[in-house]
Amino acid sequence: AQTVTQSQPEMSVQEAETVTLSCTYDTSESNYYLFWYKQPPSRQMILVIRQEAYKQQNATENRFSVNFQKAAKSFSLKISDSQLGDTAMYFCAHTGANSKLTFGKGITLSVRP
Amino acid sequence: NAGVTQTPKFRILKIGQSMTLQCTQDMNHNYMYWYRQDPGMGLKLIYYSVGAGITDKGEVPNGYNVSRSTTEDFPLRLELAAPSQTSVYFCASSSSDSMWRRSYEQYFGPGTRLTVT
Repeated sequence: AQTVTQSQPEMSVQEAETVTLSCTYDTSESNYYLFWYKQPPSRQMILVIRQEAYKQQNATENRFSVNFQKAAKSFSLKISDSQLGDTAMYFCAHTGANSKLTFGKGITLSVRP
Repeated sequence: NAGVTQTPKFRILKIGQSMTLQCTQDMNHNYMYWYRQDPGMGLKLIYYSVGAGITDKGEVPNGYNVSRSTTEDFPLRLELAAPSQTSVYFCASSSSDSMWRRSYEQYFGPGTRLTVT
């Protein structure tokens, strides 16, 4: 069974600083996708970044980048130059052969002015 | 493009009533999903569909039913509403890669906030 673990329930960061959100997962598959989703207070689920497991290069999207360690089954999200609008809940997710998205429990990120 | 749309945005039901949550996507995605999210929690999969006419149960299907007669629509039916079904419901859709038939990222609707009293 696929599992996704986000062990930190919440984090806080000063505006303009960098923060890293941790995620580990468990799967027996070799081909899969990993995602980070953001859920602001509006409750809308927004895709932040996607990583294909067969790609060694870490994905980046502007201020967001990942550290994907396939052997360690680790998939952390780094947010650079944090902005007040980054305040949200962040979910790590995995999808594999069954095409179901398995979510972690989420982490609440607060950006302080 | 509208993406994934859900109606209604809010609804209050009495115990024992029934209702249908509507979901429509205009991206020609073959995969569609229904999730529920309880306060402070992650998303739990209720039902999903890999194409018109094909549906399957997720993690928490009891008390719900779905149908998929078209690519675009994936309604969720609640029969005999119970207070435990008070939640926010999200519909999502995705395409898949042609080689492994794995779902790409899912696109979510804005959610329906349902209260059962």
